[in-house]
Amino acid sequence: DAGITQSPRHKVTETGTPVTLRCHQTENHRYMYWYRQDPGHGLRLIHYSYGVKDTDKGEVSDGYSVSRSKTEDFLLTLESATSSQTSVYFCAISETRTLGSPLHFGNGTRLTVT
Amino acid sequence: GQQLNQSPQSMFIQEGEDVSMNCTSSSIFNTWLWYKQDPGEGPVLLIALYKAGELTSNGRLTAQFGITRKDSFLNISASIPSDVGIYFCAGDPGDGGATNKLIFGTGTLLAVQP
Repeated sequence: DAGITQSPRHKVTETGTPVTLRCHQTENHRYMYWYRQDPGHGLRLIHYSYGVKDTDKGEVSDGYSVSRSKTEDFLLTLESATSSQTSVYFCAISETRTLGSPLHFGNGTRLTVT
Repeated sequence: GQQLNQSPQSMFIQEGEDVSMNCTSSSIFNTWLWYKQDPGEGPVLLIALYKAGELTSNGRLTAQFGITRKDSFLNISASIPSDVGIYFCAGDPGDGGATNKLIFGTGTLLAVQP
């Protein structure tokens, strides 16, 4: 899992509550990503970070925010969780953003919004 | 959003058989990657392809980057029970370098009967 820890591994929350997922890496990689995985959709990029305090939106960013105050931590926040955000969330890292530096993924957080 | 067409969706084979799966896109990709996902875990990189026409092997796995840059295939020879899992293709649309904002296929579920 390339030194990536996601927490929590499982979470059940109610609609309308805020939720924060954490990704911690020990590789000192500059780039970090949040993807969500849903049946029939593969994995889709939510947000990514190319350095401390530098983040940008991905394909499915609505309803999500991120923060990166330290190289090793990338937080994903659902400000007000909805049932459509029930999914498995994966964090990924890469050392550079050049050819030959592919993504490596954590083991995921399964989030259920009831 | 953009998505890769991956086929087949699922395969049920006998141990020892060869397997072939592919991914196609209407867009050109700069990089093709193949990942495998085991239950409860994140995707693990199997093979990365960086040049059109490139053919790369990793043990019993062989993958090719299509010459048109719009497709890729993965072959598994002499399958074994531990090959069971979901296989994802992913493309990086980056031009002249990697963005790592990967576009994923919907996955091929492989089941291997001993």
